[in-house]
Amino acid sequence: RKEVEQDPGPFNVPEGATVAFNCTYSNSASQSFFWYRQDCRKEPKLLMSVYSSGNEDGRFTAQLNRASQYISLLIRDSKLSDSATYLCVVNVNYGGSQGNLIFGKGTKLSVKP
Amino acid sequence: DGGITQSPKYLFRKEGQNVTLSCEQNLNHDAMYWYRQDPGQGLRLIYYSQIVNDFQKGDIAEGYSVSREKKESFPLTVTSAQKNPTAFYLCASSPGGRRQGTDTQYFGPGTRLTVL
Repeated sequence: RKEVEQDPGPFNVPEGATVAFNCTYSNSASQSFFWYRQDCRKEPKLLMSVYSSGNEDGRFTAQLNRASQYISLLIRDSKLSDSATYLCVVNVNYGGSQGNLIFGKGTKLSVKP
Repeated sequence: DGGITQSPKYLFRKEGQNVTLSCEQNLNHDAMYWYRQDPGQGLRLIYYSQIVNDFQKGDIAEGYSVSREKKESFPLTVTSAQKNPTAFYLCASSPGGRRQGTDTQYFGPGTRLTVL
C-alpha cells in the first residue's frame, strides 16, 4: 500500500465551482498533515496545515479523519489562479528526531473560464 | 528577505561528471533536506540533516553525497555513480525540534539538472 495516495486527476472545473480533493495515508502513527500547492515547474509551497478539528483559510477548508486515515481539501469559488497541482503531505515522526515528510504524487487542478 | 536559495536554476552535465548543487537558507532553520522530483512523480527524499555536522540518508541516497558544515548551507553532490541523474532537485528547510509546526518544510526554487 502506498504511504500517501491521491487521485492524480486532472480535475477540470469552471470558475466559481467547488472542488474537493481526497488523500489517504497508510501510517496510523502520522501526526502532522499538510496541503502544499505546486505550480508547473516550480517548487511546492505550503498551502495550509491540517488540524484534527479541521481548519479553514478563506476559500480553502481542510479536514482530517484519523479513524479512516483520510485528509481532504475543499476549494470554494475556484479561481483561474487556483490551477496547480495539490500535494497531500504527511509526517510520520512528529515529535521524534526525524520530522520527515512523505509527499503524495499530487492532484492536478485546472480551472477554466 | 528571509528564504531559501538554490543555484544554479538550470544545470547541464556530461555523463561521468560530478556536479554540486547549492542550497542556502537564512531562516535560522536547523533542519535541511534534499529531494528529487521526476515528471509525474512525487518528491523522493535523498538526504536530510537535522543539525550541523550531521546528516542521514533518505530513500534514494545512492549516487549522492552531502555535507553540512554550516547551519545555512547544505550542498548536494550528484556523482557519476548516480545512474539516472536528470531530474528536478529541491532543497527544503524546517525549524526542527519537537514543537508543533517545527516540521513544516519550506522549499527553495529548485535546480533542473540535465545529463547530456
